Amino acid sequence: GENVEQHPSTLSVQEGDSAVIKCTYSDSASNYFPWYKQELGKRPQLIIDIRSNVGEKKDQRIAVTLNKTAKHFSLHITETQPEDSAVYFCAAKGVTPGSARQLTFGSGTQLTVLP
Amino acid sequence: DAGVTQSPTHLIKTRGQQVTLRCSPKSGHDTVSWYQQALGQGPQFIFQYYEEEERQRGNFPDRFSGHQFPNYSSELNVNALLLGDSALYLCASSRGPGGTGELFFGEGSRLTVL
Repeated sequence: GENVEQHPSTLSVQEGDSAVIKCTYSDSASNYFPWYKQELGKRPQLIIDIRSNVGEKKDQRIAVTLNKTAKHFSLHITETQPEDSAVYFCAAKGVTPGSARQLTFGSGTQLTVLP
Repeated sequence: DAGVTQSPTHLIKTRGQQVTLRCSPKSGHDTVSWYQQALGQGPQFIFQYYEEEERQRGNFPDRFSGHQFPNYSSELNVNALLLGDSALYLCASSRGPGGTGELFFGEGSRLTVL
């Protein structure tokens, strides 16, 4: 089945700096790659997603890039703010009968934005 | 518009007991998926329900079972609880069982097994 690896597990940046989180996936047929933000004790919330027919997507300070050949995708947060501090999860969704209905998540990145 | 609602929010059980967790999907959603999130880990897919049937199952034993009702709400049952079942159980709803539609998560039910 699908396997998603996420790096780094922890990331500390100064307020205003950029943060980059990287994920790799194993199933070359995966076609949907969302990123979720989870604050302590809260539910995961979708912050941005990208489909396999797109190489890059941007939403204000957040962008995601996808390299299908290398099977990796990255989250970029610019001009970080203290409220960006949270755990970020990448995920992938496959197309095979055994994977088309589920998201496979990475292990998460604890982002801390230092004031 | 209420989002995904789950109950109870917290519960404590002892080994060998059984637990039932409940989920009401976001309005307009007909598909419910359940995920287990262990401390410090990403959510892991348990199973998905659509049209009152289990449509896909992750790598979880038969002790984990579920149900979906005609109003699209769902239950997750876990029998013969083990210490390792302690986790946050997340319900997520979507419109339709497949595709690339957004998953909306509930706040979760935190289960502690003693």
